Amino acid sequence: GAVVSQHPSWVICKSGTSVKIECRSLDFQATTMFWYRQFPKQSLMLMATSNEGSKATYEQGVEKDKFLINHASLTLSTLTVTSAHPEDSSFYICSASQGDAGTEAFFGQGTRLTVV
Amino acid sequence: AQSVTQPDIHITVSEGASLELRCNYSYGATPYLFWYVQSPGQGLQLLLKYFSGDTLVQGIKGFEAEFKRSQSSFNLRKPSVHWSDAAEYFCAVSTGTASKLTFGTGTRLQVTL
Repeated sequence: GAVVSQHPSWVICKSGTSVKIECRSLDFQATTMFWYRQFPKQSLMLMATSNEGSKATYEQGVEKDKFLINHASLTLSTLTVTSAHPEDSSFYICSASQGDAGTEAFFGQGTRLTVV
Repeated sequence: AQSVTQPDIHITVSEGASLELRCNYSYGATPYLFWYVQSPGQGLQLLLKYFSGDTLVQGIKGFEAEFKRSQSSFNLRKPSVHWSDAAEYFCAVSTGTASKLTFGTGTRLQVTL
């Protein structure tokens, strides 16, 4: 099956610093990747959709300058949380798709971000 | 916009008992439908999916789900629950493309011995 690797699995950073999370498709080319955020005991909310080589499309209410998304290759997308604050602490999960209609996306294992 | 409703926030069942988790969606056409399971602190595992065809879908770990168009539902079932099934279960839908998902609020399953 298709494998998506997300790194790191967990990270603790100081308030005001930036953190980069990587999402890699290991055995397929992902033309589209998605980033979700999950607060404790809540559901997953889509943050943005990224297509290889183009700017990400952000969902309403998500600060694009706060959450920088780069999808520079067909196997890698990154999410950078800039100037992180404690309220950014959350579980971030990516998914990757080959982009064809009717093709499902495959999820990474998630990244637990704690900002102190 | 599409939406997904999981009416039950928390369900407790005894080990060996049957289970049904409810999921209703709101969308004009037939969406792509998914059930995922998430253990504490872990990522998502796909249990099963419905794209088209037979409305009764078999998944992993003994789970099945039935798509009922008339009720806009995609309920998850298991005939005999195991203690290891305790987790959070999410129903998700997608339209147009199967890859961009809208998740329900989740149902937390507790299994008593």
